[in-house]
Amino acid sequence: DIQLTQSPSFLSASVGDRVTITCRASQGISSYLAWYHQNPGKAPNLLIYAASTLQSGVPSRFSGSGSGTEFTLTISSLQPEDLGTYYCQQLNSYPYTFGQGTKLEIK
Amino acid sequence: EVQLVESGGRLVQPGGSLRLSCAASGFTFRNFAMSWVRQAPGKGLEWVSAISATTGTTYYADSVKGRFTISRDNSEGMLFLHLNSLTAEDTAIYYCAKGVRSSLAAAGPHDYWGQGALVTVSS
Repeated sequence: DIQLTQSPSFLSASVGDRVTITCRASQGISSYLAWYHQNPGKAPNLLIYAASTLQSGVPSRFSGSGSGTEFTLTISSLQPEDLGTYYCQQLNSYPYTFGQGTKLEIK
Repeated sequence: EVQLVESGGRLVQPGGSLRLSCAASGFTFRNFAMSWVRQAPGKGLEWVSAISATTGTTYYADSVKGRFTISRDNSEGMLFLHLNSLTAEDTAIYYCAKGVRSSLAAAGPHDYWGQGALVTVSS
């Protein structure tokens, strides 16, 4: 199985900050990576797929990059509603594993 | 509007069985692969199982293989997960999630999720 490791596991940032989360895969997955955001007590919401394609309706302050084994999710200007937990997921081969999550707190 | 509504979650004893259901609406259900993803209390997301749109191809996480069975009824727009030989480690919220294509070979990400069904395994 492909393992995904996210860093950091916890992040505290201020409104307006630029935030970057990294996801590393245990083997190459081309661009088969998605990012999700989960608010406490809610279902996850798809942000990015194919490593860098913004899902319809997602604000343009979110962007993704990378290929192979290293990927990043960037929030260009952090907003209060961006708090929660962010997960990456590889879609290269089954099982479709998730990273352990990055919990984002607003200072 | 796409809607996925899970049901069937409840308290069950260790070793017991359960069937979760997911009612889909707002899209052509038979055209898309579907998945189950679970989240144990206070933990991260764990992909559980997926089923193709029409061919019946299925995949499972190693943690549930041989105990869980995914199925679907395209005529009714329903997705199911049969859970057997349950243990405390299966306690979680179970989410139904829609794929973006019909084939499991390229099912893509999960673009819509249900609100989840809580399964608690305890004596």
